[in-house]
Amino acid sequence: AQKVTQAQTEISVVEKEDVTLDCVYETRDTTYYLFWYKQPPSGELVFLIRRNSFDEQNEISGRYSWNFQKSTSSFNFTITASQVVDSAVYFCALSVGFGNEKLTFGTGTRLTIIP
Amino acid sequence: DSGVTQTPKHLITATGQRVTLRCSPRSGDLSVYWYQQSLDQGLQFLIQYYNGEERAKGNILERFSAQQFPDLHSELNLSSLELGDSALYFCASSVREPTDTQYFGPGTRLTVL
Repeated sequence: AQKVTQAQTEISVVEKEDVTLDCVYETRDTTYYLFWYKQPPSGELVFLIRRNSFDEQNEISGRYSWNFQKSTSSFNFTITASQVVDSAVYFCALSVGFGNEKLTFGTGTRLTIIP
Repeated sequence: DSGVTQTPKHLITATGQRVTLRCSPRSGDLSVYWYQQSLDQGLQFLIQYYNGEERAKGNILERFSAQQFPDLHSELNLSSLELGDSALYFCASSVREPTDTQYFGPGTRLTVL
């Protein structure tokens, strides 16, 4: 069975600070995919990034960066110079192998950026 | 805007009733997924359809059913509603397989009174 753990339930930081959201996953499959989604107060789920298990390169997109480490089964997400618009719930998710149809989500981290 | 549409946005109904939630996938996407988001269960996969056929089932109750039509839109039917069915129901679509990224619609918020 697959599992995604987001131990940080809520985080608050002052605007312009950097913040890292942790994600730890469990799977016995060697082929899997990791995702981050953002859920702003309006409620929709917005796709941020997808990583496959064969690609451990870190990813940077503007103020967002992701650190994938297979050795620790972690896929952490860092926001640099946070902004109020970053306030949202962030979900890490996992899908495994070929033919497994579901996304297994973590419980989410609620991020509040204080102006 | 993900390109996935869901209607209605909000739905308020009473216990024991039946409702239908509708989803239109992104243009070209063949797979449709349904998820339920509730306070106690979090985000949970319900069911997936691919090109009109059921592909996978998750934690979907027997009172719930879904289908995907030839035009690829999908409907989730919830019957004999209970208070605990109150949740945000998301539809997602992807081009082909689950390893393709799933893009989510805005959700339907169901309130059962």
